Amino acid sequence: DIQMTQSPSSLSASVGDRVTITCRASQNINTYLNWYQQKPGKAPNLLIYAASSLQSGVPSSFSGSGSGTDFTLTISSLQPEDFATYYCQQSYSTPRTFGQGTKVEVK
Amino acid sequence: QVQLQESGPGLVKPSETLSLTCSVSGGSLNNYYWTWIRQPAGKGLEWIGRIDASGNTNCNASLKSRVTMSVDTSKNQFSLRLSSVTAADTAVYYCAREYGSSRNFDNWGQGTLVTVSS
Repeated sequence: DIQMTQSPSSLSASVGDRVTITCRASQNINTYLNWYQQKPGKAPNLLIYAASSLQSGVPSSFSGSGSGTDFTLTISSLQPEDFATYYCQQSYSTPRTFGQGTKVEVK
Repeated sequence: QVQLQESGPGLVKPSETLSLTCSVSGGSLNNYYWTWIRQPAGKGLEWIGRIDASGNTNCNASLKSRVTMSVDTSKNQFSLRLSSVTAADTAVYYCAREYGSSRNFDNWGQGTLVTVSS
């Protein structure tokens, strides 16, 4: 199975901050990497697919980059509604696997 | 916009079988993989497996011996059965659609909490 490792596991930030979350795959997954946002009591919501493509309806403050084994999710200017947990997920092979999550909290 | 809705018992006894159904509205089951994902309270996401409209399946090896998935295209539904459950199977269970060449989960059900307890 491909292991996905996110860092950090949590971070504290303020509205307007630039936030970066990293995700590392245990093997080359090309750009088969997706990012999700999850708020308490809700299902995850797709933000970025294929490493860098913005899902329809997602604010342009979100961006993704990377290929191979190292990937990044960036929020250019954190908004109040962005405080949530973020997950990366590889879709290169089955079983599909997720990172452990990064919780973005209010500083 | 396709919508997914999980249904099934919220409480299952240890050693019994968990059964869930996901009803899909606003779109066909054809040409997609339909997926089950679970999340224990306060923890991360675990992919259980997927099925297509023809009944082809892939399952997580960690659960494979206990998982059965089926599809009913006439009802636009797919189902999960997980046998011999224990407390470790207590989780919110989501159904989701796997979409496109990037194979992302673009549509999710709201999730249903299943508790394993006597």
